[in-house]
Amino acid sequence: AQTVTQSQPEMSVQEAETVTLSCTYDTSESDYYLFWYKQPPSRQMILVIRQEAYKQQNATENRFSVNFQKAAKSFSLKISDSQLGDAAMYFCAYISNFGNEKLTFGTGTRLTIIP
Amino acid sequence: EAGVAQSPRYKIIEKRQSVAFWCNPISGHATLYWYQQILGQGPKLLIQFQNNGVVDDSQLPKDRFSAERLKGVDSTLKIQPAKLEDSAVYLCASSLRQAPLGTDTQYFGPGTRLTVL
Repeated sequence: AQTVTQSQPEMSVQEAETVTLSCTYDTSESDYYLFWYKQPPSRQMILVIRQEAYKQQNATENRFSVNFQKAAKSFSLKISDSQLGDAAMYFCAYISNFGNEKLTFGTGTRLTIIP
Repeated sequence: EAGVAQSPRYKIIEKRQSVAFWCNPISGHATLYWYQQILGQGPKLLIQFQNNGVVDDSQLPKDRFSAERLKGVDSTLKIQPAKLEDSAVYLCASSLRQAPLGTDTQYFGPGTRLTVL
């Protein structure tokens, strides 16, 4: 079974600075997708960024970018120019592109933005 | 485009009572998911529908949980009778199509926070 590990339960960053959230995963598949979701106190899971495993280029979305290391099975999220609205729980998630697989989530990292 | 709608947002019940949650997915989305998120954990899939058929309910505690998706649109998740350990946030998500599963992003609703006393 696939597993997703987020080793940082909590992180904090000064407003306008850069922070990196870590995620590792375990799979025997070669074709899969990775996601970062943000969950603010409102509880709604919001998609931040998506990475296809077959693409070597790291995904970026405005201030959010990933460092995808397929061989190391690592998928970190970098947030640049941190803003107060970035404060939330961040979940890393994995899904295989083979068969009827489940979206597997990590345990989350709580990000605090310091004004 | 309207997002995934869920109701109620909060529910408090006594153990052994029953409760139902409602979800309306994004218009046109064929696949609907129910997740359970216990405090401090990531969401765990309970059941997945493709149109009005069940694709995966392997992690649904079928002795107390049931779900249906009427006419392939709205869905309800029911717990009867509730236990203390059912206290969690119940999230509904939808995606446009299923195959291939991984290419389809899941969009989540705001969730229902259930407290069982």
